[in-house]
Amino acid sequence: DAGVTQSPTHLIKTRGQHVTLRCSPISGHKSVSWYQQVLGQGPQFIFQYYEKEERGRGNFPDRFSARQFPNYSSELNVNALLLGDSALYLCASTPFWGRDEQYFGPGTRLTVT
Amino acid sequence: QKEVEQNSGPLSVPEGAIASLNCTYSDRGSQSFFWYRQYSGKSPELIMFIYSNGDKEDGRFTAQLNKASQYVSLLIRDSQPSDSATYLCAVYTGNQFYFGTGTSLTVIP
Repeated sequence: DAGVTQSPTHLIKTRGQHVTLRCSPISGHKSVSWYQQVLGQGPQFIFQYYEKEERGRGNFPDRFSARQFPNYSSELNVNALLLGDSALYLCASTPFWGRDEQYFGPGTRLTVT
Repeated sequence: QKEVEQNSGPLSVPEGAIASLNCTYSDRGSQSFFWYRQYSGKSPELIMFIYSNGDKEDGRFTAQLNKASQYVSLLIRDSQPSDSATYLCAVYTGNQFYFGTGTSLTVIP
């Protein structure tokens, strides 16, 4: 079975631009979470979605938004990019929502110049 | 106070030894606890998860949870050089997941 897939793998953007990152969960999993990981730190929770509804939100500004589609795939959108948004963005797949174990995708490396 | 705290290390153990990794958390209502391994440049890989007090074993790995002390640990028996990585502790509090900054483990052949 395919694991979690994310696209693109790498991305370079300029300050002020907008970016959309995409994630497809493991087949049969209905929940997707998004994380930001900067070098030397653990992943920071951004959002969790289950059945197209937001079920959890971390301490990120409103420039960050996400949605989940009927096929359970998800998009993370970041507006008005800042240099500090440069990070590895990880998507995690969970069978349901809440306390279940999460499986991470390979991530998208975003560089903001 | 951080929600999840880990010693950053580095922790070095000889091949074949037991590696012990520790994690404390601040939210007493935390529901589930996870250990991930992350190799440099890669995404985290799930090793263990535990919900209830006590021990949970899976192969060479044992997770230990003590909710009264707000403490979770990971033991790696018969450590191998391939176990050299950063180990991340994560906690689910009911509406958010929190990760520690990770402990760097080196297994010396």
